Amino acid sequence: ETGVTQSPTHLIKTRGQQVTLRCSSQSGHNTVSWYQQALGQGPQFIFQYYREEENGRGNFPPRFSGLQFPNYSSELNVNALELDDSALYLCASSSPGRREEVFFGSGTQLSVL
Amino acid sequence: DQQVKQNSPSLSVQEGRISILNCDYTNSMFDYFLWYKKYPAEGPTFLISISSIKDKNEDGRFTVFLNKSAKHLSLHIVPSQPGDSAVYFCAASALKGNEKLTFGTGTRLTIIP
Repeated sequence: ETGVTQSPTHLIKTRGQQVTLRCSSQSGHNTVSWYQQALGQGPQFIFQYYREEENGRGNFPPRFSGLQFPNYSSELNVNALELDDSALYLCASSSPGRREEVFFGSGTQLSVL
Repeated sequence: DQQVKQNSPSLSVQEGRISILNCDYTNSMFDYFLWYKKYPAEGPTFLISISSIKDKNEDGRFTVFLNKSAKHLSLHIVPSQPGDSAVYFCAASALKGNEKLTFGTGTRLTIIP
């Protein structure tokens, strides 16, 4: 079991609403990345935060935004939810240069109705 | 553009035999590769990794082989056990790419007792 925790575990929202997902990184890790895993697909990179700054972004629209806090925990915010946003959202914790140490949380299952 | 491909969506193997999972990639900048195991509604669990300076890495029952000229890697599990039944994801990262992970679509491995 990793030290990466995510909350909530499940969430149901309606189209147009906004959602905030949370992640606590593993002790000693200062980098948090967020991934979206749609049904039957592999996880897709959303963005990464390093020392409270965005450090790379995947092919996701601006309504996907994030934050990282001084204790390295992180939030993923999604505005104007669409049906296609229904997915498992995964948080990964790591440190630069320690490439074998990318640990994932159990994810938040988001359903948009 | 699928930069990491796992062309076999599923694989069934008899208990005690060898399981071989394959992965192909197209991006020459990838220099680090990881295999993850995933159960439903859980985050991916790290299994084994390999750097592009090596062609083989072994950890217990798990061995990963890398063929850089063919842009191909494989995960060998021997002997296969019922607890190995899960979805396996291949992932790749580039040092000059904030080390984000690019995942394949996964292979569902079923071990038959």
